[in-house]
Amino acid sequence: SAVISQKPSRDICQRGTSLTIQCQVDSQVTMMFWYRQQPGQSLTLIATANQGSEATYESGFVIDKFPISRPNLTFSTLTVSNMSPEDSSIYLCSVEKLRSQDTQYFGPGTRLTVL
Amino acid sequence: AQKVTQAQTEISVVEKEDVTLDCVYETRDTTYYLFWYKQPPSGELVFLIRRNSFDEQNEISGRYSWNFQKSTSSFNFTITASQVVDSAVYFCALSEETSGSRLTFGEGTQLTVNP
Repeated sequence: SAVISQKPSRDICQRGTSLTIQCQVDSQVTMMFWYRQQPGQSLTLIATANQGSEATYESGFVIDKFPISRPNLTFSTLTVSNMSPEDSSIYLCSVEKLRSQDTQYFGPGTRLTVL
Repeated sequence: AQKVTQAQTEISVVEKEDVTLDCVYETRDTTYYLFWYKQPPSGELVFLIRRNSFDEQNEISGRYSWNFQKSTSSFNFTITASQVVDSAVYFCALSEETSGSRLTFGEGTQLTVNP
């Protein structure tokens, strides 16, 4: 498995502001992902964070709203931009250690509330 | 397109009862992977099991067991002698070989084990 940490663990933000969430892994991993879990719902993949290149976004998610960085093999950030109350969710990063379609391990999540 | 259905939204049992969580999936790929995750109230997603489409052997791990049946496209999860600590939301997920690492989650089943 992998030890994954996320910062912040939770935050309350004002409408129109932006928040950057950090994901740190204790060892090098091949793949890193960002998911959103809206209240009472399942998880939806936002994007795959690619090391050294632009992230790959899923349908319905755009770079202007959710810019992602991955400067190395152990760290990634997700920014939620120009927030609205609809962005209130848990944001989780996940990693695959070895290869595509390996087991994904998840971080503890960041609980975001937008007022 | 891949799809995962967890028809049971909520299940409530009394401690020591056995409980089965259902998962039905849809895919056109012959190679795919199935997963179960547990999400306790704290919010983190805990990996339980990964199964590939060529391995239909049932799996047992302590009080947990999984029944994979390709004929019915099901991957059901049974907890024997349930305990209060088993209370959580359980997610079934699928990834297809042609979709890379993209995980599609079911809607989740909220399991409550009462003392």
